[in-house]
Amino acid sequence: ETVMTQSPATLSVSPGERATLSCRASQTVYSNLAWYQQKPGQAPRLLIYGASTRATGIPARFSGGGSGTEFTLTISSLQSEDFAVYYCQQYSNWPPLTFGGGTKVEIK
Amino acid sequence: QVQLQESGPGLVKPSQTLSLTCTVSGDSISSDNYYWSWIRQPPGKGLEWIGYIYYSGTTYYNPSLKSRLAISIDTSKNEFSLRVTSVTAADTAVYFCARSTLYQERFDPWGQGTLVTVSS
Repeated sequence: ETVMTQSPATLSVSPGERATLSCRASQTVYSNLAWYQQKPGQAPRLLIYGASTRATGIPARFSGGGSGTEFTLTISSLQSEDFAVYYCQQYSNWPPLTFGGGTKVEIK
Repeated sequence: QVQLQESGPGLVKPSQTLSLTCTVSGDSISSDNYYWSWIRQPPGKGLEWIGYIYYSGTTYYNPSLKSRLAISIDTSKNEFSLRVTSVTAADTAVYFCARSTLYQERFDPWGQGTLVTVSS
C-alpha cells in the first residue's frame, strides 16, 4: 500500500498570505496525484489532478507541483473561503487508492 | 451536470449489514469512461477508499475491507450500491459516493455524504 503523508497537520495563515502544503508518497506515484478541499459538513471538492492540472472552475490562486514522491499545493493569496482541510490522493498504485491524513488551513 | 446522492439507514446495529445506494443523475452509469466509487470518513478523521465498480460489474475493493464488502450496480435504475457485513463501531462514518475517470482515478464529483452510525 502506498502511504501518503501530509505536512504540516495544521497551517496557520493570515488572509492574503501564501500557503504551501506538502504531500509525500511512500513510493513513486509519478504524477498521479490529486488534491481536494473539504469544508465542515461538506464533501471534498477536487482541486488539482495530474499533480498540477486545475479542475474545472478552480481559481488560478491554487497551484500544484511535484512528481514522483514529493508534491506541493500552493494557495498564492488566501481568501476567507480557502480556510478548510486539504487532502492529497494517489491513483498510481492501487488497490487501494489512498489519501493523506489532511492539512487543516486555519486563520492566523 | 452529474449529481450523486447517497441514501440508506442512518443507524445499523453491530454485527448487522450496512446497505447504501447511490443514485446518479445527469450522466449514464453505463458509460465506459468512469468507475463508481464508495469512500468513507469516520467522524473527525481522514478519508478511506472502500472500493468501486465499473458498468460491466467489475469491482475493485480495498484489501483491508474486502472480506466484508459487496458493491453492485443497477444500470436500469442508474444507481450502485454498497453492502458491508458484520459491522462494528469502527464502521461508523460518513459514507460518500463519487465518480472517477477510467485510468485517472481521481474523484469528481462527490455525493453530499450520509452518516451511518453503528450502535445498539
